[in-house]
Amino acid sequence: NAGVTQTPKFRVLKTGQSMTLLCAQDMNHEYMYWYRQDPGMGLRLIHYSVGEGTTAKGEVPDGYNVSRLKKQNFLLGLESAAPSQTSVYFCASSRTGRSGNTIYFGEGSWLTVV
Amino acid sequence: EDQVTQSPEALRLQEGESSSLNCSYTVSGLRGLFWYRQDPGKGPEFLFTLYSAGEEKEKERLKATLTKKESFLHITAPKPEDSATYLCAVQAFSISGGSNYKLTFGKGTLLTVNP
Repeated sequence: NAGVTQTPKFRVLKTGQSMTLLCAQDMNHEYMYWYRQDPGMGLRLIHYSVGEGTTAKGEVPDGYNVSRLKKQNFLLGLESAAPSQTSVYFCASSRTGRSGNTIYFGEGSWLTVV
Repeated sequence: EDQVTQSPEALRLQEGESSSLNCSYTVSGLRGLFWYRQDPGKGPEFLFTLYSAGEEKEKERLKATLTKKESFLHITAPKPEDSATYLCAVQAFSISGGSNYKLTFGKGTLLTVNP
């Protein structure tokens, strides 16, 4: 069971470089999310998508862009990386539903900006 | 603004020593409260969802309970393999009425169980 798959797992960037984190889910989920996790800060939502072709801002969207061209994929882009974006990034997905909706996470992508 | 506070920040137990983790929350309308387990270098792993006050759920040595203001994760006779960070998160109904399934997380409790 693949679930939520993130690539790459590790990356080192120089300040000002750009990169894209890829997320793929095989659970046919409508909703997808990008979180970042920093020591002492917990998990914070960057952007999310409620369906193919739609995206929305979360708590900490500045410096990031996202795209959801296909239902199963959610891409997170850094146009000009900054040291403050050094973090662990988690992609997640969930299905829709009236009740509380379980969100499933990927294994994480460790990004260092030097 | 939704808020989640977990305590203690860290807890060290001896194998077999039962205890509880606390999650206090403030939310406009609770859709669900979630518990996750996170091992070092891994993504959060789903444990439980609780929807309404009075609800309880169990899985092996873990039992989660919910009141209108807080949730507890009770760990009975823990083993070293229960060592992990336990995360609590809330999912709220959107004030605007639209669909919004995002989670607001607490900072977690780092549990260490010594043999």
